[in-house]
Amino acid sequence: KAGVTQTPRYLIKTRGQQVTLSCSPISGHRSVSWYQQTPGQGLQFLFEYFSETQRNKGNFPGRFSGRQFSNSRSEMNVSTLELGDSALYLCASSLAFVGGYTFGSGTRLTVV
Amino acid sequence: DAKTTQPNSMESNEEEPVHLPCNHSTISGTDYIHWYRQLPSQGPEYVIHGLTSNVNNRMASLAIAEDRKSSTLILHRATLRDAAVYYCIPLNFGNEKLTFGTGTRLTIIP
Repeated sequence: KAGVTQTPRYLIKTRGQQVTLSCSPISGHRSVSWYQQTPGQGLQFLFEYFSETQRNKGNFPGRFSGRQFSNSRSEMNVSTLELGDSALYLCASSLAFVGGYTFGSGTRLTVV
Repeated sequence: DAKTTQPNSMESNEEEPVHLPCNHSTISGTDYIHWYRQLPSQGPEYVIHGLTSNVNNRMASLAIAEDRKSSTLILHRATLRDAAVYYCIPLNFGNEKLTFGTGTRLTIIP
């Protein structure tokens, strides 16, 4: 079966711009989470969606937002990009609590 | 969130068993213990999880202490492909937010 698909794989943006990242979960998975990974902070939770509702949110500024569509696909948006937003952004989906999360390969965002 | 303590790094010879420890003394009674690993240049990968009893799957075994304050991930026969950072994560059903610590970097020696 197809895994979690994230697009694009790589992205270069300029400070002040905004960016939208996309995630297609495994078919049937209704929970989608987003994580940011940087060398300094490691893996940090951004937010989690289930059936189009945000259930959990991490400690990130309001510039970071997300949404989930009725087909469970999810997008995250970062507005007014800063250099420190350069990171690997990972999406994970889950069928239910049991069985764990399946992660995508991530989108590497570079802000210049 | 329950705090976890793992060794920063461990080494093991190829084809030998590996025991990766994790202390989670502040774990709540309803927290499951999850283990994930991250291979170089990849997203994290689910390994195994358990609540009280020891658990086995095709990838590994999970041994949970009777008081649940610690657990050990067991790779029965390490291969080079098992070289990764391993994370132990207490997770409460309904609060599905994975809190990754610094994990244990496992090096496999050929």
